[in-house]
Amino acid sequence: EPEVTQTPSHQVTQMGQEVILRCVPISNHLYFYWYRQILGQKVEFLVSFYNNEISEKSEIFDDQFSVERPDGSNFTLKIRSTKLEDSAMYFCASSLFVQGSGNTIYFGEGSWLTVV
Amino acid sequence: KQEVTQIPAALSVPEGENLVLNCSFTDSAIYNLQWFRQDPGKGLTSLLLIQSSQREQTSGRLNASLDKSSGRSTLYIAASQPGDSATYLCAVVSGNTGKLIFGQGTTLQVKP
Repeated sequence: EPEVTQTPSHQVTQMGQEVILRCVPISNHLYFYWYRQILGQKVEFLVSFYNNEISEKSEIFDDQFSVERPDGSNFTLKIRSTKLEDSAMYFCASSLFVQGSGNTIYFGEGSWLTVV
Repeated sequence: KQEVTQIPAALSVPEGENLVLNCSFTDSAIYNLQWFRQDPGKGLTSLLLIQSSQREQTSGRLNASLDKSSGRSTLYIAASQPGDSATYLCAVVSGNTGKLIFGQGTTLQVKP
């Protein structure tokens, strides 16, 4: 079964450093997402991406964050100047559509980011 | 603003029992509702997706219902097994970007 893959699975970084989390969505999918889950809290939406541009972003997704689809397969989340409160599990997800059939959203295994 | 709530937060049952997990949402204008399973430290696995026009979906021992007008969904698990132990998340899509809004989850423990 096709799957969303994420790297790294775990990253420890110093406060103030930049981090890039990488994702390979399912190959024929058109919609891409990043979510995060702080330990013990709800899964929160960060950003959605379609047709090479951001379609929606949350209040969390400020200038510290950026996303990119540098080629036909990768989807990256960059976090600049990391803060302690950025420590969380970051999930990448993809879907074929947003409505109707085929809009099941598939999640990767997550990248656990620890900021020290 | 759409909010999703799940009750109970945690549930412990003996193996073999049938159980119901509840999910409620504040805005009935949704495109679909999805139930996910999350194992500790792992990603989210989609279990069932119910379109807004549907009333229920079934997969094996799982049955999910949707009552959009009352803002409620239930996940029914029949003949529970220890392998069903996990956190179950409910999420709705209510905008045209596919954004999921999650509940806080119900952590299920099935005892042998």
